[in-house]
Amino acid sequence: GAVVSQHPSRVICKSGTSVKIECRSLDFQATTMFWYRQFPKKSLMLMATSNEGSKATYEQGVEKDKFLINHASLTLSTLTVTSAHPEDSSFYICSASKSAATYEQYFGPGTRLTVT
Amino acid sequence: AQKITQTQPGMFVQEKEAVTLDCTYDTSDPSYGLFWYKQPSSGEMIFLIYQGSYDQQNATEGRYSLNFQKARKSANLVISASQLGDSAMYFCAMRGRSGNTGKLIFGQGTTLQVKP
Repeated sequence: GAVVSQHPSRVICKSGTSVKIECRSLDFQATTMFWYRQFPKKSLMLMATSNEGSKATYEQGVEKDKFLINHASLTLSTLTVTSAHPEDSSFYICSASKSAATYEQYFGPGTRLTVT
Repeated sequence: AQKITQTQPGMFVQEKEAVTLDCTYDTSDPSYGLFWYKQPSSGEMIFLIYQGSYDQQNATEGRYSLNFQKARKSANLVISASQLGDSAMYFCAMRGRSGNTGKLIFGQGTTLQVKP
């Protein structure tokens, strides 16, 4: 149990377009989902915390108008990179937690975004 | 503020030998959790082991054990009998209850290469 999927696994888009990444908890309800960004050979940097039915909490330095996060249901959160530019190219990983009170966090397989 | 430090960017180990990956942390939370994740080149984050701050015994999971020294604020990962498949990037992470978000803070990572 506790499987998290991400779609797409890889995406290439042109500069100026928007890209949506989905994160789904397949066999549990995720009250909280997290979005991370990772550059090659670097650590995971938390971008935002998403709670079902409420606005996401963004980390300092993350542009909320650039990275739109929606958590409309207990099994789905989406990250939309708006007006993407080459510097947005990165590996985006989501994770899901059954509740903020539990320690366990389950990671998706990641989405590699390349902006040309 | 919470902080996780991994001071070994890269490590080598001979197959079948044991290796210790270092991790130190800093937090003012009285209750927290410490995690180790493995990230192979495919990018997925694989959960290895968890240690709760109030756990009396060091956590063990198969070939993985966590050397938890609370007074020194260290949580080193020991991998016994290394295998070629252990070659990957390893992240130490901490989750506290500050703000009740339960977000994970990651260290810089250590790249482990197992030599045949």
